[in-house]
Amino acid sequence: GQQVMQIPQYQHVQEGEDFTTYCNSSTTLSNIQWYKQRPGGHPVFLIQLVKSGEVKKQKRLTFQFGEAKKNSSLHITATQTTDVGTYFCAGIRNNDMRFGAGTRLTVKP
Amino acid sequence: KAGVTQTPRYLIKTRGQQVTLSCSPISGHRSVSWYQQTPGQGLQFLFEYFSETQRNKGNFPGRFSGRQFSNSRSEMNVSTLELGDSALYLCASSLVTGPHNEQFFGPGTRLTVL
Repeated sequence: GQQVMQIPQYQHVQEGEDFTTYCNSSTTLSNIQWYKQRPGGHPVFLIQLVKSGEVKKQKRLTFQFGEAKKNSSLHITATQTTDVGTYFCAGIRNNDMRFGAGTRLTVKP
Repeated sequence: KAGVTQTPRYLIKTRGQQVTLSCSPISGHRSVSWYQQTPGQGLQFLFEYFSETQRNKGNFPGRFSGRQFSNSRSEMNVSTLELGDSALYLCASSLVTGPHNEQFFGPGTRLTVL
């Protein structure tokens, strides 16, 4: 069955450093979504990528969908303390959605 | 517009008991999905309801069931609780059915089974 792997599991950065989380699927996806969950909170939708090779930006966040539609990444430039939380990818194939295990980001001021 | 609400927010039960959790979607949203979140297994899809019909189901035993009412509110029930059912149960609503749509999550119900 479809599996979605996400790395790293944890990332601790100094404020101002960049951060990247990677998502890899065992099968080709139709689309991929990214969510952020603050400590003690619930997942909040960030973005959906649909096209092969797609790149989308939201301020300091850059999302990429691989050419083969099997991997994706989220890159945060110059992290801030407000970026703290767990970032999840969710791979979608047909009507099946699988979440990655998430990358927990901590930022030291 | 009010967000997704879930009740209760916290629940403590003992093994063998059953529990019912409630979810009210964003007004106008007709799809409600349920997820279980645990530190070990992460976010796992339970089922999705749209127009009072179960449209999709994850890999959970039959002890986990749900339903949706005509006003789109949804409930999920877990019978014969086990220790491993301790988790944060999240519901998410979206305008239409299918995982291709943006989902709006509620705050969750934290269930502890003793």
